[in-house]
Amino acid sequence: RKEVEQDPGPFNVPEGATVAFNCTYSNSASQSFFWYRQDCRKEPKLLMSVYSSGNEDGRFTAQLNRASQYISLLIRDSKLSDSATYLCVVNGGTGRRALTFGSGTRLQVQP
Amino acid sequence: SAVISQKPSRDICQRGTSLTIQCQVDSQVTMMFWYRQQPGQSLTLIATANQGSEATYESGFVIDKFPISRPNLTFSTLTVSNMSPEDSSIYLCSVEDLEATYGYTFGSGTRLTVV
Repeated sequence: RKEVEQDPGPFNVPEGATVAFNCTYSNSASQSFFWYRQDCRKEPKLLMSVYSSGNEDGRFTAQLNRASQYISLLIRDSKLSDSATYLCVVNGGTGRRALTFGSGTRLQVQP
Repeated sequence: SAVISQKPSRDICQRGTSLTIQCQVDSQVTMMFWYRQQPGQSLTLIATANQGSEATYESGFVIDKFPISRPNLTFSTLTVSNMSPEDSSIYLCSVEDLEATYGYTFGSGTRLTVV
């Protein structure tokens, strides 16, 4: 079983749609959680950290459920520029500072 | 947030040769991480590089194949040794960036093609 699992997609949605990505992680000792965005042929860039209380940044909302070891990302009012691969990322916990990446979910927003 | 300069950005190499990738950070960082991203895949951690000690390698990666140097708190190199076509990947360095809400910053990557 992968440490971080995501639906690979692709998700093809029209502009203005709301889309949700889900992710599960297996290491219950994980401490920090992130969503990264990776554009084609570019390095990953931090989209947002994810907190137990949930957090929102404009059109993006992230949720964490520690009991279920589940992370989500909601994108409202999708823009063409949101087209990218979204990586669910977990800090390994138990003194492990490196990140563990999900395989990524590809989003294609269509006009 | 921290800025990482990674070089080279891309290279095409002959099998059996070695390539050294450099990462320079504009601030002092304790840990640097090296990742590999194979075509169509996500990132896999190769090793963690601490200044003044040997790098810690993940399962499936060995020092003879991927030697790492970390001479100071702002610089690290990763060498891909005795390359084969299976080593064709993007290689990325990363640092924990406390100025970026505990996110991690990545270098722009080195796209390696082995022929």
